[in-house]
Amino acid sequence: GIQVEQSPPDLILQEGANSTLRCNFSDSVNNLQWFHQNPWGQLINLFYIPSGTKQNGRLSATTVATERYSLLYISSSQTTDSGVYFCAVTSGGSNYKLTFGKGTLLTVNP
Amino acid sequence: DTAVSQTPKYLVTQMGNDKSIKCEQNLGHDTMYWYKQDSKKFLKIMFSYNNKELIINETVPNRFSPKSPDKAHLNLHINSLELGDSAVYFCASSYRTGGTYEQYFGPGTRLTVT
Repeated sequence: GIQVEQSPPDLILQEGANSTLRCNFSDSVNNLQWFHQNPWGQLINLFYIPSGTKQNGRLSATTVATERYSLLYISSSQTTDSGVYFCAVTSGGSNYKLTFGKGTLLTVNP
Repeated sequence: DTAVSQTPKYLVTQMGNDKSIKCEQNLGHDTMYWYKQDSKKFLKIMFSYNNKELIINETVPNRFSPKSPDKAHLNLHINSLELGDSAVYFCASSYRTGGTYEQYFGPGTRLTVT
């Protein structure tokens, strides 16, 4: 099956810093989602982005499907951005079987 | 106005017991899922139902049995619970046809088997 690798595995920032999280995948994808799992365990949808670029406030994401990667940008980070960021994809004949990466644990210090 | 809800949020039980987790979605989606998140935070799909029909059944012990009474509900029943079943179980939903396939997740049920 498809492999999803996220980097870095851990990231520590000071409040106000910018960061880029990366998601590489081993095969062509049908769909790609970015999630934020907050410290209370809730999985929050950030982006549904099988291709192209999207922005939502301080967050933006770009997926270059032909090169098999996606990037999540966080600008002016806040302590509430702390948590685990997951990339998840569907591939092959399935549009609904999400395969998750192992996540990036982001800690934003005040 | 919760989109995907699960009950209970926490479940503590002893080995050998049988337990159920319930999931409901009010998004009008036609497909629902169960995922398991282990102690290392790795998320893996277990089952998926579309309009009450099982469409994904990953390699999961047959002690786990999903049931979908209608397209808005998907329950997970677990027999003879084992220590290794301790995890967080997430329900999710999406469209299979007629929309994007974006999945939305419930708040999770933390199962602890002692």
